[in-house]
This record gives sequence, C-alpha cells and structure tokens, in this order.
Amino acid sequence: AQRVTQPEKLLSVFKGAPVELKCNYSYSGSPELFWYVQYSRQRLQLLLRHISRESIKGFTADLNKGETSFHLKKPFAQEEDSAMYYCALGPPGGTSYGKLTFGQGTILTVHP
Amino acid sequence: DTGVSQDPRHKITKRGQNVTFRCDPISEHNRLYWYRQTLGQGPEFLTYFQNEAQLEKSRLLSDRFSAERPKGSFSTLEIQRTEQGDSAMYLCASSSSAGGIVEQYFGPGTRLTVT
Repeated sequence: AQRVTQPEKLLSVFKGAPVELKCNYSYSGSPELFWYVQYSRQRLQLLLRHISRESIKGFTADLNKGETSFHLKKPFAQEEDSAMYYCALGPPGGTSYGKLTFGQGTILTVHP
Repeated sequence: DTGVSQDPRHKITKRGQNVTFRCDPISEHNRLYWYRQTLGQGPEFLTYFQNEAQLEKSRLLSDRFSAERPKGSFSTLEIQRTEQGDSAMYLCASSSSAGGIVEQYFGPGTRLTVT
C-alpha cells in the first residue's frame, strides 16, 4: 500500500533560518512525488514536483529512493513561506493521471 | 476566475439528509478528482473521472456516496443519509491528460457540517 508520512505537524523557524520539511513515502515502484502548499485562505496549489528538478520560491526537494524520502528545503526562510505544506505521492508512468496520496501536512510558521 | 470552482462553499445539514455538491473543472481539463479532508489530515482520494467515465473509486466511497460527470464537464458528488462522520472538506481537482507530467488544480472546497 502506498503511504506518505510527514513526521512534523508543526515547524517553527525564524526569518532567514534554513528550513527542512520532512517527507517519507512507501511505494513499491517508482512513484511521482510532489509538494503542495496551502497559504492562509487560499486553495491547495502545487509547489514543485520531483521530476522537474526545479526550484520554486527558493524551495528544492530531492528524491532519495534509498531512504524513500522527499524532503523540502529552503536555505533562508521568509515570513511569506508560512503555510501548510503537503507531500503527495502519485502513480508512476510520467503522468499524474490517477490519485494522489497525501501526507498529513506540516504547518510551517516563519517568525520575524 | 478560470480555476476550478465548487458550489456550495459551505453546507450545514441534519443527519439523515441528502446533500449534493457540484464541481466545475478548468474547461479544457478532461480529468476530475474528488478528495475528502478531515481536520488535521491531508486530502484523501475518493474517486476520479476521465471525461464521463468513472475510472477509480476509493473504498472510502461507501454506497451512500455517488459521483457523476454526465457530459464530461462538471461533476456532482451526492451523499445520501448523511452521518456525522461525513463532516469534512470535500475537494475537487482537475487535470489534463495531454502532455507529460500534469498537475492537479484544486478548487476551494465545500465544507460539510452534519449536525
């Protein structure tokens, strides 16, 4: 069965500090991994996907198949990064045509 | 706003009543998904459509739940004989099957409260 675990429900850092949001997954195969973000009073939106190897808003995430992890990192957190972050797992095959399996989410608070 | 829309945004109903939610996807998207999110949890997959065909249903979708997408455009999710455990945020998302990696675009959700 596929499963996504985000061990931290809450994460607080100060502005300018590095931040790492942890995500571990369980899947027998080569899944697609995503990070979604939900800012206050906004809808859920895609932040980044592992296949693109991109940096969005200063965030990066590396897929570590050996550790089955997909941690989200940013070297210098900003107050506007405060939000709920969800790690999600999708089916393999190069398309996100099927269901996403989400973790429980991590609330990130960046203090001034 | 050309994003995914959902109606109503909030619904309060009494236990035992039937409720129906509507989702309008982004117009060129042929895939549509329903998720349910309870407090403190991430969204959980319920079902998905490609055009008008319902291709996958979660075990979470009991026989009191039914979803349709009759013309391959908007979708409805009906819950019959609501129970207090049905109280949750119901999210709709859509995506396109064209191209490679595609992202799912989410609507604002319908918050259901069963009293």
